[in-house]
Amino acid sequence: EVQLVETGGGLIQPGGSLRLSCAVSGFTVSSDYMSWVRQAPGKGLEWVSVIYRGGSTDYADSVKGRFTISRDNSKNTLYLQMNSLRAEDTAVYYCAKDSGSLWGQGTLVTVSS
Amino acid sequence: ELVLTQSPATLSLSPGERATLSCRASQSVSRYLAWYQQKPGQAPRLLIYDASSRATGIPARFSGSGSGTDFTLTISSLEPEDFAVYYCQQRSNWPWTFGPGTKVDIK
Repeated sequence: EVQLVETGGGLIQPGGSLRLSCAVSGFTVSSDYMSWVRQAPGKGLEWVSVIYRGGSTDYADSVKGRFTISRDNSKNTLYLQMNSLRAEDTAVYYCAKDSGSLWGQGTLVTVSS
Repeated sequence: ELVLTQSPATLSLSPGERATLSCRASQSVSRYLAWYQQKPGQAPRLLIYDASSRATGIPARFSGSGSGTDFTLTISSLEPEDFAVYYCQQRSNWPWTFGPGTKVDIK
């Protein structure tokens, strides 16, 4: 079955770090570009980061220098390392395949003291 | 950053009616425009990609049109399960951006 399963969300204090994982099944994580998209509570969608097939990456200005997207082909897993977290990073984080043809169920990150 | 504007913000219709949703880009995105449906507590679902191609498993009542800066999503006859929020999204220029959404609710 083709699916994406995100884990790693939770409550974290401002300034803290968190790593999100997206376990991929049914296809190879490096076979297409993969992304992280977030949605703040009651708000719209924001495309956070993408990693392309060749390994190059792009980031939204709001997270550049703080977040790092990566993948582990041996574990068939996508990651998002989030450092220096801020209250405005509070959101449900989704991983998505290519141009959004497949999404995970999301994992909630809450940044609060 | 490329800005997408959606109209109307809310569309109140009855089952069986036709829904027409608009998305306008601040600059040309060629045909790199997608439409998503999102229901409460669920991830977005891809409906249309590249302006007019239906994603796998999407019913034929959903259709997309447009190019450049003006795009339309049409739902030919609303089913009860179609009442949701719809977002357009461009992947022409990074950062890829979404519109603010159109909520289609029951009249």
